[in-house]
Amino acid sequence: GESVGLHLPTLSVQEGDNSIINCAYSNSASDYFIWYKQESGKGPQFIIDIRSNMDKRQGQRVTVLLNKTVKHLSLQIAATQPGDSAVYFCAENLGTGTYKYIFGTGTRLKVLA
Amino acid sequence: KAGVTQTPRYLIKTRGQQVTLSCSPISGHRSVSWYQQTPGQGLQFLFEYFSETQRNKGNFPGRFSGRQFSNSRSEMNVSTLELGDSALYLCASSLAGGTGELFFGEGSRLTVL
Repeated sequence: GESVGLHLPTLSVQEGDNSIINCAYSNSASDYFIWYKQESGKGPQFIIDIRSNMDKRQGQRVTVLLNKTVKHLSLQIAATQPGDSAVYFCAENLGTGTYKYIFGTGTRLKVLA
Repeated sequence: KAGVTQTPRYLIKTRGQQVTLSCSPISGHRSVSWYQQTPGQGLQFLFEYFSETQRNKGNFPGRFSGRQFSNSRSEMNVSTLELGDSALYLCASSLAGGTGELFFGEGSRLTVL
């Protein structure tokens, strides 16, 4: 498949361990955030979202944490599996009432067997 | 329910030519957004259409244009292609409302020679 990014930061974790992927967002006015997963040759796929009035949200095996003070998001994946290997992006919505999102640069997650 | 469909998936053009990419959103979705993805710049917002009207536009030159039809299908056009236009062009559809999940297609891979 195609390479999403040649020089992305890479996080390597052992299968079964927990993964933490970080993202610094750009605009303090952003009020909605999404984490996306992109596998090689595919479009980004929604993982989890969070609104700015929350600081934590949990899904199945995933948790998103939001720290508005330092404009920081993190995605925690529990019991990482080989199928989690992908590039992960955070995206922020500026609250303009449109679907304009600013995407982070992405982090490549490699799961080691 | 069928996902977002983009055509063509791959295409090769030469500098100076123009290209039209097509996107069929998920049935019932009225918003269509376009993003450009390159290894150097990541995912960048091009424009968003809602009910046949451009609702927001990113920071791209006027060579990049788009439109949306009454059935919500969208096209984007790039005229006078440059080498730097080589990218994966991603279309995403969304329900009305202004915030929420973007549902991405698999993209159109454009190579400009």
